[in-house]
Amino acid sequence: SQQGEEDPQALSIQEGENATMNCSYKTSINNLQWYRQNSGRGLVHLILIRSNEREKHSGRLRVTLDTSKKSSSLLITASRAADTASYFCATDRGSTLGRLYFGRGTQLTVWP
Amino acid sequence: EADIYQTPRYLVIGTGKKITLECSQTMGHDKMYWYQQDPGMELHLIHYSYGVNSTEKGDLSSESTVSRIRTEHFPLTLESARPSHTSQYLCASSEYGTGKPEAFFGQGTRLTVV
Repeated sequence: SQQGEEDPQALSIQEGENATMNCSYKTSINNLQWYRQNSGRGLVHLILIRSNEREKHSGRLRVTLDTSKKSSSLLITASRAADTASYFCATDRGSTLGRLYFGRGTQLTVWP
Repeated sequence: EADIYQTPRYLVIGTGKKITLECSQTMGHDKMYWYQQDPGMELHLIHYSYGVNSTEKGDLSSESTVSRIRTEHFPLTLESARPSHTSQYLCASSEYGTGKPEAFFGQGTRLTVV
């Protein structure tokens, strides 16, 4: 069964605009991760936020986590055409065994 | 660039054939995963390995089987391929449990069964 629910399913913006994607989940977590997938390729890890953290930055990426609402958001600032990809959140469902569960993803299109 | 490799990248095969999708990683990771993903859809965990000789089925029922005889190798086998097996198969590995929980993915194998 699906753990993360990304929202929106698709997002289309112009270069230079900010893109915000949301992820909701249903169980407790130890951490939440965001991944990027270019069309037809494997996933690439972007950023991880632990359950005791509320916000994290990495370059143009900003991730927030609200464990009371069981939700996270990924903000990409000053987007570029090269940011066009699918973005997935993944959680461990509170287990330390190492299984990762992914949502359906948000398809981001950035127009030049 | 992640050191995890999947072969083949694309495979078109007839119904009833036996196939093995290869996955190898050179990072020494204990945890390895197989995910199945249809176009534009979520990833479904179909197999998981904690380490050598330790495998478990994932949440999505799959007719495939896996083995983990060596740390670096995690092949997936379909004894008799069917059109319903057409999908993309993604292999990943991680050091989860060591403070580095991020997963590294291969490029995927796109399987088409005709």
